Amino acid sequence: QKEVEQDPGPLSVPEGAIVSLNCTYSNSAFQYFMWYRQYSRKGPELLMYTYSSGNKEDGRFTAQVDKSSKYISLFIRDSQPSDSATYLCAMTRTSGSARQLTFGSGTQLTVLP
Amino acid sequence: SQTIHQWPATLVQPVGSPLSLECTVEGTSNPNLYWYRQAAGRGLQLLFYSVGIGQISSEVPQNLSASRPQDRQFILSSKKLLLSDSGFYLCAWMEGVGETQYFGPGTRLLVL
Repeated sequence: QKEVEQDPGPLSVPEGAIVSLNCTYSNSAFQYFMWYRQYSRKGPELLMYTYSSGNKEDGRFTAQVDKSSKYISLFIRDSQPSDSATYLCAMTRTSGSARQLTFGSGTQLTVLP
Repeated sequence: SQTIHQWPATLVQPVGSPLSLECTVEGTSNPNLYWYRQAAGRGLQLLFYSVGIGQISSEVPQNLSASRPQDRQFILSSKKLLLSDSGFYLCAWMEGVGETQYFGPGTRLLVL
């Protein structure tokens, strides 16, 4: 069993739709939770990060963490074609002397105009 | 502000040839540095990380090696490439007491 599970999609939605992207995890040692957006042939860019259960909002993006259920979500409101990308969830645990990230496999999102 | 560079952007190499990919970070001191590989349609696989000059930790035993000759320079190498080494190689940095990693633009490697 993978430590982090993410539905690979692909997910296709019309412009303006609300998108929900989800990850589950099995390791209670994860402390911080992140979402990255990766456009084709580019490096991942950090969208949001949070360390507590609850919601964190940034513009059209909302990150939600439920540590009791080991479940995190990213919601995108009023989705735009420019949101078309692969979204990666990531979590940190401390290993040795450096923080490491454990990534989900990514969800490919297409927003149709 | 911090900037991370990787080169080359794209590389096509024959099987058995050597490899050297370079990553440099600007605007920060003593960062943690990471090398990842991303196969097509797959997640990120951590290959190496470093917490300081000359300090390398390997996550997966394989055909690759890493070195950190300077504080903000991280190099990924191979003496003889395999077909399975093809992929998208990403360098990332993190502040020593930070929680998030920041990625470079990546190097696309195709081994033929």
